[in-house]
Amino acid sequence: NAGVTQTPKFRILKIGQSMTLQCTQDMNHNYMYWYRQDPGMGLKLIYYSVGAGITDKGEVPNGYNVSRSTTEDFPLRLELAAPSQTSVYFCASSHGGLSTDTQYFGPGTRLTVL
Amino acid sequence: AQKVTQAQTEISVVEKEDVTLDCVYETRDTTYYLFWYKQPPSGELVFLIRRNSFDEQNEISGRYSWNFQKSTSSFNFTITASQVVDSAVYFCALTDGSGNTGKLIFGQGTTLQVKP
Repeated sequence: NAGVTQTPKFRILKIGQSMTLQCTQDMNHNYMYWYRQDPGMGLKLIYYSVGAGITDKGEVPNGYNVSRSTTEDFPLRLELAAPSQTSVYFCASSHGGLSTDTQYFGPGTRLTVL
Repeated sequence: AQKVTQAQTEISVVEKEDVTLDCVYETRDTTYYLFWYKQPPSGELVFLIRRNSFDEQNEISGRYSWNFQKSTSSFNFTITASQVVDSAVYFCALTDGSGNTGKLIFGQGTTLQVKP
């Protein structure tokens, strides 16, 4: 199993550009999450999904969109990139989403907006 | 609201020293789960431990041990005989109690530097 994979690993965007961060998991997990990690800070939840076709906002959803058309994939879309979106983005997944369940994280995507 | 506080921003020790990373949490939930994750310099997040609110037994795994005290809302992490490879950022996290979504609330992290 590859676990949770994310592409790209690094990206530089200009202000106003758009991009999609890809996330794929091969563990047949139902629940998937997107977090961002700002320098010197902990992770904050952007969006999450409890299954294909179901998504919901986390703590910091503004400026982002998600979709979940399959169990495996959970892409994060940035529209009109802003410098405040410079961060490291982590995707995670878990089997059932119950509070007992452990989230497994991808390697992260480092995004810089100039 | 749920909150996790890791008051120690950075800790520096010399190899073979013992070190304790503090984690204090706030929650109104009676059932909750606490986690520790390690983020080495390579950047990935590595799961270390999960503990539920009904289990206050200390846990030991090799050089790692965890002390969960509900009375003080703390879930501290001790590394015995630290090694250079333990150098990383360590995050404590708490599950959000709003249903079975598994959403995590993270502390700000403690950067541990172990010097040879």
